[in-house]
Amino acid sequence: KQEVTQIPAALSVPEGENLVLNCSFTDSAIYNLQWFRQDPGKGLTSLLLIQSSQREQTSGRLNASLDKSSGRSTLYIAASQPGDSATYLCAVLGNQFYFGTGTSLTVIP
Amino acid sequence: GAVVSQHPSWVICKSGTSVKIECRSLDFQATTMFWYRQFPKQSLMLMATSNEGSKATYEQGVEKDKFLINHASLTLSTLTVTSAHPEDSSFYICSASGGAGATYNEQFFGPGTRLTVL
Repeated sequence: KQEVTQIPAALSVPEGENLVLNCSFTDSAIYNLQWFRQDPGKGLTSLLLIQSSQREQTSGRLNASLDKSSGRSTLYIAASQPGDSATYLCAVLGNQFYFGTGTSLTVIP
Repeated sequence: GAVVSQHPSWVICKSGTSVKIECRSLDFQATTMFWYRQFPKQSLMLMATSNEGSKATYEQGVEKDKFLINHASLTLSTLTVTSAHPEDSSFYICSASGGAGATYNEQFFGPGTRLTVL
C-alpha cells in the first residue's frame, strides 16, 4: 500500500526566507503528484501538478520537483510571505489518491 | 484513523442520464464535506463545500443545477450529476472533516469515483 509522508510536520519561518517542504512516497508507480494548500475551514487549493514523466513544475514563487525513482518530491517556496501561512499537502495518484500528512507553515511578519 | 467511503467506485452511464455518488464517513460525524473533481492530467479541483443541513457552497464555474449536492446527515453526502454528458467524465472525490478528536481542519478523503459518460 502506498504511504505518503511529509517532513517537517510544522515549520515556522520569518518573512522573506526561502523554504523547502518535503514529500516522500513508497510506491513509485504513480500517475502524478500534486501539491495543495489548505486554509482553515476551506477546501484544498491545487498549487502544482507534476506528471509522472516530468521532473519539475513552477508557478510564481513556487517550484515543485519530482524524483519518482527515489520516491521524493519537494516544494520550494521563495521569498515567503505571511499570506503563505497554511497547511501544505502532497498527494500521489495511483489507483486512488494517497495524501501526505501535511506540513503546517507559519510565516512570521 | 477516520474512514470515508464512496460508492460506487466506478460507473459508466449513457449521456443524458443522472448519476448519484455517495460519500459516507464511517466512524465519525462529518460536519463538513467537500467534493472535488479531477480531469485526466489535470489538478484536483474543489467543486463545492457542504455543511450538514444547509445548502452547498459552489466554487466559481461549477453549475449547481447540474451537480446537486445533498448533505442530509452527519455521515452522508451525495453528489448527483444530472443529465450527464461525456465532458462530465472525470474522477470525483469527496472528503469529510469534523468529529470528536479530529484535528481542526483535518480532512479525510474517500477513494474516489471514476465516472465515464458514453
